[in-house]
Amino acid sequence: KNEVEQSPQNLTAQEGEFITINCSYSVGISALHWLQQHPGGGIVSLFMLSSGKKKHGRLIATINIQEKHSSLHITASHPRDSAVYICEAGTASKLTFGTGTRLQVTL
Amino acid sequence: NAGVTQTPKFQVLKTGQSMTLQCAQDMNHEYMSWYRQDPGMGLRLIHYSVGAGITDQGEVPNGYNVSRSTTEDFPLRLLSAAPSQTSVYFCASSASNLRGDTIYFGEGSWLTVV
Repeated sequence: KNEVEQSPQNLTAQEGEFITINCSYSVGISALHWLQQHPGGGIVSLFMLSSGKKKHGRLIATINIQEKHSSLHITASHPRDSAVYICEAGTASKLTFGTGTRLQVTL
Repeated sequence: NAGVTQTPKFQVLKTGQSMTLQCAQDMNHEYMSWYRQDPGMGLRLIHYSVGAGITDQGEVPNGYNVSRSTTEDFPLRLLSAAPSQTSVYFCASSASNLRGDTIYFGEGSWLTVV
């Protein structure tokens, strides 16, 4: 069974700080997803990664398939980035999610 | 383009009652799935479908039933509700069951069983 672990579980940062959230998984996969869940509950897809790095605005996601590890970075964090960030690293039919990292960005 | 539509958003049930959570997508996606989200736990797969007429069990299928008679719809049925089924439920879809497709989620259904 694939285990997906995220760290840290909770993170508090001040506005403007650089943030890193980590995801490790135990089974070889071909692609990984990063998701964002806002306090209202809605979940949106941020990135799908199969190799290297992707950037979208202030968000950067990297993956190392050999080391079974991915990171999500937020540059110049802002209070509106406050959310739960979820890593997904499952097999073709069975998505497997981490428990999420709760991020709080304060002024 | 509505994406993934999930209803109801909130529901309170009495133990033993049955109900159906509706999920519909208008993106012609083959892959649809249902998850429950409980405090301190990641989203856990209940059932999934890789196309009309095909369904399979996920990690926590007991007490739930699904069907996929059309590409668009994937309802989740609670057969006899139990307090342990109090949770937030999410429906999701993607173009295929292959890795690399964007996952689209419904807005969630908050279910309380008393």
